[in-house]
Amino acid sequence: EPEVTQTPSHQVTQMGQEVILRCVPISNHLYFYWYRQILGQKVEFLVSFYNNEISEKSEIFDDQFSVERPDGSNFTLKIRSTKLEDSAMYFCASSETGTAHEQYFGPGTRLTVT
Amino acid sequence: QKEVEQNSGPLSVPEGAIASLNCTYSDRVSQSFFWYRQYSGKSPELIMSIYSNGDKEDGRFTAQLNKASQYVSLLIRDSQPSDSATYLCAVNTPKAAGNKLTFGGGTRVLVKP
Repeated sequence: EPEVTQTPSHQVTQMGQEVILRCVPISNHLYFYWYRQILGQKVEFLVSFYNNEISEKSEIFDDQFSVERPDGSNFTLKIRSTKLEDSAMYFCASSETGTAHEQYFGPGTRLTVT
Repeated sequence: QKEVEQNSGPLSVPEGAIASLNCTYSDRVSQSFFWYRQYSGKSPELIMSIYSNGDKEDGRFTAQLNKASQYVSLLIRDSQPSDSATYLCAVNTPKAAGNKLTFGGGTRVLVKP
């Protein structure tokens, strides 16, 4: 069964450093998403991406964040200058179509900022 | 105002019993509703989707939607210890083109052998 994959599973970085989290969405899916979950808190939407552009972003997704689809398979989330409060699980998700369609989540990347 | 609300639990049920989970949402224009299961330290796993009023059954799971009451529920029949997890209610409200999901805080379910 096709699944979303993410690398790395765990990333430790120092405050102020740049990190890139990588995702490979399900191959026939067209919509891609990033969510995050701070330990013990809700899953929060960050950004959605379709047709090589951002279709929606949350207030969390400020200028420090960017997304890119560098090739036909990868989808990346870059955090330019990490802060302690960026420590969280970051989940990539994908869906076949847009409105109303099921989103399937990857296993996540645990980001620890020290 | 919280957009998607769930009782945090834990909801303790004996093995073989029915677990009943509830979720309310605040935005009347919400159209799509999903239940995810999340084991500790893992990612959300989609178990049910429901789009229209009424019941939808899939194996031991039944989702129920009442848009007039802004209420969605999940029943787990014949609960097993492996069902012990946090169940997340997620709602899609198409205000923008992004298909954003808004999650509730989850209900922790404990199934006791």
